[in-house]
Amino acid sequence: GAVVSQHPSWVICKSGTSVKIECRSLDFQATTMFWYRQFPKQSLMLMATSNEGSKATYEQGVEKDKFLINHASLTLSTLTVTSAHPEDSSFYICSARILGMSTTFTDTQYFGPGTRLTVL
Amino acid sequence: DQQVKQNSPSLSVQEGRISILNCDYTNSMFDYFLWYKKYPAEGPTFLISISSIKDKNEDGRFTVFLNKSAKHLSLHIVPSQPGDSAVYFCAATAHQGGKLIFGQGTELSVKP
Repeated sequence: GAVVSQHPSWVICKSGTSVKIECRSLDFQATTMFWYRQFPKQSLMLMATSNEGSKATYEQGVEKDKFLINHASLTLSTLTVTSAHPEDSSFYICSARILGMSTTFTDTQYFGPGTRLTVL
Repeated sequence: DQQVKQNSPSLSVQEGRISILNCDYTNSMFDYFLWYKKYPAEGPTFLISISSIKDKNEDGRFTVFLNKSAKHLSLHIVPSQPGDSAVYFCAATAHQGGKLIFGQGTELSVKP
């Protein structure tokens, strides 16, 4: 099946530092990847859509300069949390979109295992 | 504006019985729906999906039903197993957009 990896799985950093999270599709090419954020006991909130070779599309309320997204290849997207603060502590999850994989569905996203970010 | 709603935050079911998880949506542009299963500190795992041209899709123990007129879908798990205990999210998308809109999740607990 489609496998998506994330690295690191968890990170603790000091306030004011930047953190980079990688999202890789291991056995398929993903022209589109998505970045989500999840707070405890809440739903997954889409932050941005990352398209290979073009600028990311951010959801309303998400700061572009704070959450830098780079989709440099068909298998890699990165999210950099710049000048992280304690309120950025969260669970960040990426997903990669597969189109037309079978006759039973036309559009499915496969998720990475997530990255737990704690900013002290 | 919560476009996808899972009104039951939790559900407890006895092993071997049927689990029914419900989801409602408000956006009539949604035409593709998915169910994901999520364990704590892990990413969601795709379970099953359904296109709006269908009203039922079955995969093993999992069946998803779609009622377009009521803007309602449900996931049936039968028989339920303790390993099914997790948080289940329904999600919806409009074909052109590709963005998934998630519900709040329902925590299923299957007791032996």
